[in-house]
Order: sequence, then C-alpha cells, then structure tokens
Amino acid sequence: DSGVTQTPKHLITATGQRVTLRCSPRSGDLSVYWYQQSLDQGLQFLIQYYNGEERAKGNILERFSAQQFPDLHSELNLSSLELGDSALYFCASGGGNTEAFFGQGTRLTVV
Amino acid sequence: GQNIDQPTEMTATEGAIVQINCTYQTSGFNGLFWYQQHAGEAPTFLSYNVLDGLEEKGRFSSFLSRSKGYSYLLLKELQMKDSASYLCAVRHTGNQFYFGTGTSLTVIP
Repeated sequence: DSGVTQTPKHLITATGQRVTLRCSPRSGDLSVYWYQQSLDQGLQFLIQYYNGEERAKGNILERFSAQQFPDLHSELNLSSLELGDSALYFCASGGGNTEAFFGQGTRLTVV
Repeated sequence: GQNIDQPTEMTATEGAIVQINCTYQTSGFNGLFWYQQHAGEAPTFLSYNVLDGLEEKGRFSSFLSRSKGYSYLLLKELQMKDSASYLCAVRHTGNQFYFGTGTSLTVIP
C-alpha cells in the first residue's frame, strides 16, 4: 500500500459529460502529481500541485483542470469528455527527496 | 523539454539476466528512477540514481551516466513474475517526474 488513495476505482460515463477524480496523498506529502495512461501508452504527466499551488503543467488539455485543497487532497476535473479520454488516471505524491508514490488509479471509460 | 527513450519490448529466459536501457534528454536533471508496472496496476518503485554509478538492490541494479544521458536497469535471476512493464523516469529540478513509454518484458520458461 503506497499510502496514496484514489477514488473512484472505475468510472463509466458518456461523451460530453464531466467527471471529478479524487486523490488523497500520503501523509506529510505536499506534492501531488496527475498522470494519464492510455492503452499501451506511457505515463503522460498532466499537472503538479505543491501545497495548494500549481507548480508545473504538462500535456494537460484545456478541458481538464485540477486543484489542491488546504487538506492537501486533490481533484482532477475532466469536462466535455471524448472517447479518446478513456484511460487510466493516476495520482502520485512525494517527489521532494523521495520517489513518487502512486495510487491505484481511476479507470475512466467514456462511451 | 524532456525526451526519454526505452526499447518497446524485450524477451528473456527464466533465470537469466536482462538489461533494459534508457536514454534521456532533459532541461533539468534531478534523478533517474525505475518503476515496475503490471498491466492495469499502479507503478511501483524499483531503483533510483542521482549520481553516476551503480546502485544495487537485491536482484535489481540500476546504472547512471549523467554525461551520456544514459541509464540501465539490470534484472538478475529472472522469475516469471518479473514479466511486466519497466518505466524509466527522469525527475526534473522542479521535482516533476517524466516517464518513458516503458519496456514490456516477457520472461519465458
């Protein structure tokens, strides 16, 4: 158990809809990272938050947004969903003087 | 920007040794990490190098040459359960982790 919790584990939704993925980092970790992993693809870095502030952006679409709350949990919002957004979405925490610890992921299926 | 290259697939025999290479180019280097990922599961940390040289952790070792932008992961005494994807990741100076596309390793009897 990495200590990083993601909910929900699975999500099925229709095109055009909006969903919210939630992540609770390991106790004491200030950084949260979001990644997208499509079928047979590598982990694509989306965005990093540190102690409530956006720290870095990767390949995140404008239809996607994220935030980190004062209790350090984070949410990734995906809107106007398309079939191509179907993927595993991972949250990770750590990274300062340690490796990144990954949650179990949310499998999003857009139908 | 970041550019990380790994072979897409490798096959090796149970009990043998396999080396998975990774080359990278980055605008700011702060460590090279190796993760293992089984299909549909979370990546799990294997090894990490921030200085040049070899780091050994049981059956797994990782090597880094910063001047060459090169790392490898060495897996010894291969077991069937080692069949998985192996991800090379560069930690940027801003503490973001950028991943290669992964090497799918198949261990055969």
